[in-house]
Amino acid sequence: NAGVTQTPKFRILKIGQSMTLQCAQDMNHNYMYWYRQDPGMGLKLIYYSVGAGITDKGEVPNGYNVSRSTTEDFPLRLELAAPSQTSVYFCASSYGGTAGYTFGSGTRLTVV
Amino acid sequence: GNSVTQMEGPVTLSEEAFLTINCTYTATGYPSLFWYVQYPGEGLQLLLKATKADDKGSNKGFEATYRKETTSFHLEKGSVQVSDSAVYFCALSDHNTNAGKSTFGDGTTLTVKP
Repeated sequence: NAGVTQTPKFRILKIGQSMTLQCAQDMNHNYMYWYRQDPGMGLKLIYYSVGAGITDKGEVPNGYNVSRSTTEDFPLRLELAAPSQTSVYFCASSYGGTAGYTFGSGTRLTVV
Repeated sequence: GNSVTQMEGPVTLSEEAFLTINCTYTATGYPSLFWYVQYPGEGLQLLLKATKADDKGSNKGFEATYRKETTSFHLEKGSVQVSDSAVYFCALSDHNTNAGKSTFGDGTTLTVKP
């Protein structure tokens, strides 16, 4: 039972490069989320999805993009990486509001 | 909008001490409340939850009671262990209006010394 799988675990990008953070879940959850966690801070919502083909912006969407072509996958795209995007990124999924989230183990991204 | 305020850390306790981490919230609807735990280098794990007023969530010796009158959901444990050292996050989800989105507190770091 894999849960939520994120890849890669670590990545260093140069300013201006692009990359895709992968997220996959095997629990048939409709709801999926991307958060970033900055040191000593809580989690900030980047994008979320309530089902395949449906995505919406969270609190801090600038510089990111997402797609949801299947129930299982919810990749996060960074275009033109900037140092401000240095963070730990978490993907999460859920059945719905009362169930709580299942989190992936995170991707630690450094932009230099 | 919704918000969660947690007791500022870090918190350092000796093994077997009593733990309280305060959490208060502001929400427009009728939220569900959660505590998550994050061990070093890992993602967050759901620790416990409560979905309506006066519910008590419990797991692994941790407890929290949903207090609507004081808008609080304080985390408690009677006797902490070194293995409880982690970051604890309080969160709410206003599932009636917000597509299940959760709002998180800033986290409280707990260190338990032998």
